[in-house]
Amino acid sequence: GAVVSQHPSRVICKSGTSVKIECRSLDFQATTMFWYRQFPKKSLMLMATSNEGSKATYEQGVEKDKFLINHASLTLSTLTVTSAHPEDSSFYICSARVSHGELFFGEGSRLTVL
Amino acid sequence: AQTVTQSQPEMSVQEAETVTLSCTYDTSESDYYLFWYKQPPSRQMILVIRQEAYKQQNATENRFSVNFQKAAKSFSLKISDSQLGDAAMYFCAYRSAKGNAGKSTFGDGTTLTVKP
Repeated sequence: GAVVSQHPSRVICKSGTSVKIECRSLDFQATTMFWYRQFPKKSLMLMATSNEGSKATYEQGVEKDKFLINHASLTLSTLTVTSAHPEDSSFYICSARVSHGELFFGEGSRLTVL
Repeated sequence: AQTVTQSQPEMSVQEAETVTLSCTYDTSESDYYLFWYKQPPSRQMILVIRQEAYKQQNATENRFSVNFQKAAKSFSLKISDSQLGDAAMYFCAYRSAKGNAGKSTFGDGTTLTVKP
């Protein structure tokens, strides 16, 4: 099956700094990727849809300036959490859609903001 | 807007037994996809099974099968001969068949415990 790789898997940063998370499709081209946030034992909350070569589409309530998404190529989307604060600590997951609409997920990135 | 409901936050099953996870959804569309995803403690989500709404036959993947009731908007997952490795959080998801980049709607998940 399709492989989506996400990096880093864990990151700890100081409050006020920015953190970049990468999501790569390793064996296929992904024109669309999705970024989610997941709280412990909760469902995935869609943050934004990342479209290659164009601006991301953000869900209602998600701050565009806080969560910068760039999809510069068909195999790479990045999520940058800017000026991170402790409340941004969470598990972030990316996914890419293939063929019949199924999603392939990255391994997830655990962000801890001190 | 579509909604997906998983009414069982937690379920448990004895190893080698069968368990059924419930999922209902609400949509006005006639063409769509339904999925079950598994998220083990390692956290990477993987696809368990997929069902196209236009297909009447229930999807099956080895020990995993679904009971798709389109009129009732129900999509349950049956796990037969449960194994310890089946322990995970399971998410039911819906995606419209319209367009190429539609987002998926997820249920709140069911945590499955498998007892040895």
